[in-house]
Amino acid sequence: DQQVKQNSPSLSVQEGRISILNCDYTNSMFDYFLWYKKYPAEGPTFLISISSIKDKNEDGRFTVFLNKSAKHLSLHIVPSQPGDSAVYFCATRVQGAQKLVFGQGTRLTINP
Amino acid sequence: EAQVTQNPRYLITVTGKKLTVTCSQNMNHEYMSWYRQDPGLGLRQIYYSMNVEVTDKGDVPEGYKVSRKEKRNFPLILESPSPNQTSLYFCASSLVGPGEKLFFGSGTQLSVL
Repeated sequence: DQQVKQNSPSLSVQEGRISILNCDYTNSMFDYFLWYKKYPAEGPTFLISISSIKDKNEDGRFTVFLNKSAKHLSLHIVPSQPGDSAVYFCATRVQGAQKLVFGQGTRLTINP
Repeated sequence: EAQVTQNPRYLITVTGKKLTVTCSQNMNHEYMSWYRQDPGLGLRQIYYSMNVEVTDKGDVPEGYKVSRKEKRNFPLILESPSPNQTSLYFCASSLVGPGEKLFFGSGTQLSVL
């Protein structure tokens, strides 16, 4: 039972355009949402996060949007750069719990 | 340099032969956790620790043990490995809990034959 789903295993975007990565969740008790980025042969690294009391958080080229009614999280990267090519994981935390639930990951490829 | 160090990076073993994957962090973090990454399943939590001598099960703890005798170290022990434990393992730490930014190690690719 996958509580957090990233339905697109892969995404290909042209350099300079916008990349949009999506994540759907089922549990209304998730209170914190994060995005991690992973390069081959490395561990994931934290990218950006958002609390359930907000609907948008921005950090440079990266913006995370949270739509609580739709139980949907998205990450926007503008403009996309070749160094953004990586696997992106969304992760959520159950309120009061001490663990993160991760999605399956989306492989983003930025084409020159 | 602030980091989480896992060893070994690669390990091939046989069914039933006990092994330990070490994890150490130099950031004085309270929270440490182990995950496994499998194709199509993302990262799943095995065990976590909120502090020294405090550990708890994650989503997939069967077949694994952990200990937290010192704040910096959080080894993962497979007493009797089986082929379904072939996976990519990550150790992670954060200052106080999983809602904080997690710092991950570089991973351990384990193959159990």
